[in-house]
Amino acid sequence: YVLTQPPSVSVAPGKTARIPCGGNDIGSKSVHWYQQKPGQAPVLVVYADSGRPSGIPERFSGSNSGNTATLTISRVEAGDEADYFCQVWDSSGDHSYVFGPGTKVTVL
Amino acid sequence: QVRLVESGGGVVQPGRSLRLSCAASGFTFSSFGMHWVRQAPGKGLEWVAIISYDGSNKYYTDSVKGRFTISRDNSKNTLYLQMKSLRTEDTAMYYCARERLRYFDSWGQGTLVTVSA
Repeated sequence: YVLTQPPSVSVAPGKTARIPCGGNDIGSKSVHWYQQKPGQAPVLVVYADSGRPSGIPERFSGSNSGNTATLTISRVEAGDEADYFCQVWDSSGDHSYVFGPGTKVTVL
Repeated sequence: QVRLVESGGGVVQPGRSLRLSCAASGFTFSSFGMHWVRQAPGKGLEWVAIISYDGSNKYYTDSVKGRFTISRDNSKNTLYLQMKSLRTEDTAMYYCARERLRYFDSWGQGTLVTVSA
């Protein structure tokens, strides 16, 4: 199973960033999102399409339908600049966890 | 709070072996499946292996099958990754992560493995 993401997204402070994650019928899967800042470990920011872990700002939200899942970051701040990875569990394979290639979010 | 601390990384020659460890604290280790995930320099994330909470089930990505072995010692709250026949393409930061309903809800800070002659 293959996930696609744009290499980069640029957004001005205070605006909304939308990061797509494409996959065949991804809407039938549960999609999770991770934020990774330079030199740091990934952090879960959205689970099961739209769930938000404790401690993650409400500005982070997710949706999933058809062939595209989307991570939305509202009121973007400079501290949101990072790489973002989507992830699904591929039940068709031998217990495989699949990541998207990642999107670099740049705050202008 | 959940804490995962990896160790054991370093520089190793191709064909040699290395064992990574991940010390867990802040939660009931024996109740959770655990993963290894790696990231080559400047690249994306790649899932490596998972072990069930009791060690009875293990799964691997194709590129490491037969070379890597995931294991755990619940009495020591520690996860392991034994890596044999290492290749240059195994060079990466290796993270341990906690399993939670088919996603990774907590990550360690990683340990760097460099395979080079």
